[in-house]
Amino acid sequence: ILNVEQSPQSLHVQEGDSTNFTCSFPSSNFYALHWYRWETAKSPEALFVMTLNGDEKKKGRISATLNTKEGYSYLYIKGSQPEDSATYLCAFYAMSDYKLSFGAGTTVTVRA
Amino acid sequence: DGGITQSPKYLFRKEGQNVTLSCEQNLNHDAMYWYRQDPGQGLRLIYYSQIVNDFQKGDIAEGYSVSREKKESFPLTVTSAQKNPTAFYLCASRPGQANTEAFFGQGTRLTVV
Repeated sequence: ILNVEQSPQSLHVQEGDSTNFTCSFPSSNFYALHWYRWETAKSPEALFVMTLNGDEKKKGRISATLNTKEGYSYLYIKGSQPEDSATYLCAFYAMSDYKLSFGAGTTVTVRA
Repeated sequence: DGGITQSPKYLFRKEGQNVTLSCEQNLNHDAMYWYRQDPGQGLRLIYYSQIVNDFQKGDIAEGYSVSREKKESFPLTVTSAQKNPTAFYLCASRPGQANTEAFFGQGTRLTVV
């Protein structure tokens, strides 16, 4: 079973503060790294798909970086808002067998 | 509207019965996936299919079976051999290329009593 680890498991952020959290994955057999946002009572929605070492992606106040050599990705939320409250999932897409394997997620709660 | 549809949203079955969860997509996606989520845990891969008439076991395939006879459909059967079938099941599809995202259904919550 592929080890895709996310930390921390949960975090609480004050509105307006910035935060970041980590996804670690195997450094070999890399094909792509996905980030998804999963809000309560909704389906997960994609934020980013990154394929190249050094990739940096940005969508509004959310951004992500990728280091495939050491096997980690960071997701950053700048100036957190209550609507950012969700579980953020990362997923590793493996080259050898095309599995899309998810981490357990980081649940972010933004307090007004 | 294009999308991925899972049905039903809630399903109750008696222990020992097989049950089939439906997943249909009209996005023309090649790849489809089934995941299971248990309380406090992440998404665990049950089965996946990269192309019609082909599928592979994921990390927790025991007690489950699938078919991929049509591109748009990837039904999951939870058999009586699955020891703890009560869970939330999510289906996803994606075009298949490395740089493409997955799209998810609304999920089916299965309760076995």
